[in-house]
Amino acid sequence: DGGITQSPKYLFRKEGQNVTLSCEQNLNHDAMYWYRQDPGQGLRLIYYSQIVNDFQKGDIAEGYSVSREKKESFPLTVTSAQKNPTAFYLCASSPRGVQRVYNEQFFGPGTRLTVL
Amino acid sequence: AQSVTQLDSHVSVSEGTPVLLRCNYSSSYSPSLFWYVQHPNKGLQLLLKYTSAATLVKGINGFEAEFKKSETSFHLTKPSAHMSDAAEYFCVVSEIGGADGLTFGKGTHLIIQP
Repeated sequence: DGGITQSPKYLFRKEGQNVTLSCEQNLNHDAMYWYRQDPGQGLRLIYYSQIVNDFQKGDIAEGYSVSREKKESFPLTVTSAQKNPTAFYLCASSPRGVQRVYNEQFFGPGTRLTVL
Repeated sequence: AQSVTQLDSHVSVSEGTPVLLRCNYSSSYSPSLFWYVQHPNKGLQLLLKYTSAATLVKGINGFEAEFKKSETSFHLTKPSAHMSDAAEYFCVVSEIGGADGLTFGKGTHLIIQP
């Protein structure tokens, strides 16, 4: 089955630690995205990538980093510089780049990160 | 620039009655519009999308939405609510030819009363 997988489903982090969230897709999509979801705030874009070895900051990139070494993988690192990292993180992909028509995105099941 | 406003943060209906979730949008170009549904602790699933073809769009699970340019609205409806419809619903706008990607509304929590 084609789809997007995120791991782990739940993640606990101590303050001061970096953690990396995994996102893999086998849909052969060019573009991939990371969103953060907080209660009552909808989804906010952290980073996106339209092509391998290229990525752009979204609206709330501070304290996060990404890489795009392979088309199917787009891992997100939450660094110790992120002041309030406890949230639900969603990865998505789309068959076209951000600036193309339709821009329908397909979402993974999410990772819930809790800072202890 | 584009934006989207979901007019109700919570909507409560009885099982078997109609559902109406309201969404207004703002866009400088011809928009694409989407409705996504999210069940607790899950990812988002696409319900339906408008991409400048028919203004009445039919989606999965009996949902439909009508694009009204004059009112800048894209309300989501369903004739008869089912308990399994209880979830969070997001209205999303994207500009065809624009560079802003997707903009999400803040969500409407749909509650189904037995």
